[in-house]
Order: sequence, then C-alpha cells, then structure tokens
Amino acid sequence: EAGVAQSPRYKIIEKRQSVAFWCNPISGHATLYWYQQILGQGPKLLIQFQNNGVVDDSQLPKDRFSAERLKGVDSTLKIQPAKLEDSAVYLCASSLAGGGAHWGYGYTFGSGTRLTVV
Amino acid sequence: DAKTTQPPSMDCAEGRAANLPCNHSTISGNEYVYWYRQIHSQGPQYIIHGLKNNETNEMASLIITEDRKSSTLILPHATLRDTAVYYCIVRVETSGSRLTFGEGTQLTVNP
Repeated sequence: EAGVAQSPRYKIIEKRQSVAFWCNPISGHATLYWYQQILGQGPKLLIQFQNNGVVDDSQLPKDRFSAERLKGVDSTLKIQPAKLEDSAVYLCASSLAGGGAHWGYGYTFGSGTRLTVV
Repeated sequence: DAKTTQPPSMDCAEGRAANLPCNHSTISGNEYVYWYRQIHSQGPQYIIHGLKNNETNEMASLIITEDRKSSTLILPHATLRDTAVYYCIVRVETSGSRLTFGEGTQLTVNP
C-alpha cells in the first residue's frame, strides 16, 4: 500500500511570497488532515477534510492560509503572503474515516514539507 | 480531549526495555489512549492504543492503570532505530475527532 505522498520535500521562500504544498492521501481514505509542526513542538492541526468538505478549520489562519480538496482526493495548502513565523514542517495525514479504533487504528502521515521563510 | 503530561526526555540502553510514562488524570470514560512516535524528518507513526485493558502488538505494549489516570508504553528491547519523539494522546472515538499532539518525550537509545 502506497503511503501519503507530499511535495515538495523542502521549500525556501522570502517573506511576503506565496507557496503551495500538495498532498495525495492513501487511496480510499475519506479524511485528510493538514498539520503544522514548528521546530521543537508537536504537530498542530490546521484543517480537516471529510471527502471534499471541511470538518474543522478553527485553527487555520484564514487571512493567509487556504486549503482545498478537489474531488475528495488530493489536497493543496497555500500560504499567501508568508511570514517568518510560518517556517515549519507541514504534514499531511489521512485516515479511513475518523481515524479511531473502529476505522483502522489511526492516521497515516506523510513525511512533510519543510518550509523556511527568510 | 484530555490533556496529557510526559517527561520531556528519557534515555535507554540498547537492548533494554524502554518504559515511557504518560499522565492523563482528567481522561474521560469514553477516551482512548493512543501512542504515536516521530522519528527525525518523518511524520508521526501509529504505535498502539487502548481503552482499559493492557494491549500488546508487534511494536510495543501498553499498560493502563486501573483508574486510567496514567499509562506506560513499553518497548521491550529498544534498538537505536527506536530513537524518536513519543507522543501520548487521548481522544474520543468519534468520526471527526481530532488527534491533538502535546510536546512528547524524546527517547534516546544509546549503544
């Protein structure tokens, strides 16, 4: 079974520029998540999709961050304009449904995109 | 979701058992205990989960106290590849329930 694919693996941009990250979840996984992980901290949920609908985006800074999941499969996360504090690893994860014990024991994460804003 | 408390770091000798504690004194009756780990430059990886009973799989064992206020993840024979940050998470089992990560425990396995 292929894992969660993310690209690019690394990205360096200047502040105020825009950037986009791409995620391809495991085939058949209805739920997709984007997490932000700042160095030395645990991952923080930004947005959760169920198929192509948003379930939770309460922690997404909507003035600069946007995300979409077209056709309930691939997803993109965009930052425009980027700030220095956006430097982090952006992780995508997917699960069969809610990711709980009844749905396959949890989430599968990709390796992430490391963003550096200079 | 209930808050968890973990030591920031631990060391373990290769080949010995690694016992990682987690305190979740405010856990609710319908919340499960999950453990994930994150090896450097990788995404978090599911290890094990449980509700009340002790659990074991090919990766680890999970011991949950009778009052469910704390748990211990046991890696029976730690290897250098087990060096990672280990996260203890509690969450309800409902569709859409988020997985909320704390700071975790940095486990270093020494040769």
